[in-house]
Amino acid sequence: DQQVKQNSPSLSVQEGRISILNCDYTNSMFDYFLWYKKYPAEGPTFLISISSIKDKNEDGRFTVFLNKSAKHLSLHIVPSQPGDSAVYFCAASAGYNFNKFYFGSGTKLNVKP
Amino acid sequence: SQTIHQWPATLVQPVGSPLSLECTVEGTSNPNLYWYRQAAGRGLQLLFYSVGIGQISSEVPQNLSASRPQDRQFILSSKKLLLSDSGFYLCAWSPSRNQPQHFGDGTRLSIL
Repeated sequence: DQQVKQNSPSLSVQEGRISILNCDYTNSMFDYFLWYKKYPAEGPTFLISISSIKDKNEDGRFTVFLNKSAKHLSLHIVPSQPGDSAVYFCAASAGYNFNKFYFGSGTKLNVKP
Repeated sequence: SQTIHQWPATLVQPVGSPLSLECTVEGTSNPNLYWYRQAAGRGLQLLFYSVGIGQISSEVPQNLSASRPQDRQFILSSKKLLLSDSGFYLCAWSPSRNQPQHFGDGTRLSIL
């Protein structure tokens, strides 16, 4: 049973426009959320995180939004650049089991020049 | 700065052969260590985690085992590989609870 879902396997965006990647979760106990970026043949790289006490966290071109009532997480990339083309994973954990992160299946972002 | 090393990058093994994948972390002490597997088209599945030397927690029953013989060394093993063990294996570390995990570059394991 997947507790973290990324329903869009791929997304294509024009350079300079906004990329919005979405993630849904089912476990209301999740209180820490992360986004990772992965290039082929490399391990995922941490991008940005958010705690459940916030609804928004911003780091440069990357902003993560958390809607707890909808159990929905999104990553906004503005402006998108060709170097952002990669697979993006969202992940979540619950404070009672802080060692276990549940990952989505990933969304492949293609930013066209 | 902290670095994580994982090897080999690719591995082709026959069914029934043993396995040993090694992961080491530098630049930190007493890290939390993790082994994940990514099957094709799937997310990352946590296999094992360790909060200290000799302390291993298994998340899913399987044909694999993990060991932590030293503070910054994490090993994934199998006595007899199955076809279903094929996948992309990732080692990760984190400094403490609810901190981002940092991943190695992974091992692509193919079982023939």
